[in-house]
Amino acid sequence: AQSVTQLGSHVSVSEGALVLLRCNYSSSVPPYLFWYVQYPNQGLQLLLKYTSAATLVKGINGFEAEFKKSETSFHLTKPSAHMSDAAEYFCAVSDPPGGGNKLTFGTGTQLKVEL
Amino acid sequence: KAGVTQTPRYLIKTRGQQVTLSCSPISGHRSVSWYQQTPGQGLQFLFEYFSETQRNKGNFPGRFSGRQFSNSRSEMNVSTLELGDSALYLCASSLNTGGNEKLFFGSGTQLSVL
Repeated sequence: AQSVTQLGSHVSVSEGALVLLRCNYSSSVPPYLFWYVQYPNQGLQLLLKYTSAATLVKGINGFEAEFKKSETSFHLTKPSAHMSDAAEYFCAVSDPPGGGNKLTFGTGTQLKVEL
Repeated sequence: KAGVTQTPRYLIKTRGQQVTLSCSPISGHRSVSWYQQTPGQGLQFLFEYFSETQRNKGNFPGRFSGRQFSNSRSEMNVSTLELGDSALYLCASSLNTGGNEKLFFGSGTQLSVL
């Protein structure tokens, strides 16, 4: 089964600083990887996805992620944090790839943005 | 276009009862998936329906069931409720079921079992 591991359940950054949220995956085949964001009392919203086209994936709200097969990583970054980025972020893998919309999610990283 | 609609938004039940949750997907979407979210277990996949057929099923007991209607609306049912079933239940829809689809989530139904 595919799985993802998110390092750091809580990350705090200053407004304007770099955001780096870590995700490592475990997959026996090329995976489909996703980053979703969840704001309080809301459902999840897709930020970006990797489906083997390009290793650097750009998403909404200035976020991007790079697929690194050698490191089995798919870390999420944003050059400059904004207060509105405060939310919980989930990395997910399609399990199995191409086998329907069954996603296995990581445990989530709560991002706090401070002035 | 209207988003994914889940009803009810909040629900309080007692142990042993059963509950039915409803999900209306985005118009034109044929896949509906259900997830359970709890502080302890995180987000866990329940099942996916595509064109009225169950496509995938997660590791939940048989008390959890679902179905999809011809208009793609979906319901999930939990029978003989247990305290541990208290959770946020999220529904997500997508156009197809290729595994690389963008899922659109509803705001969820918050179920409390007393």
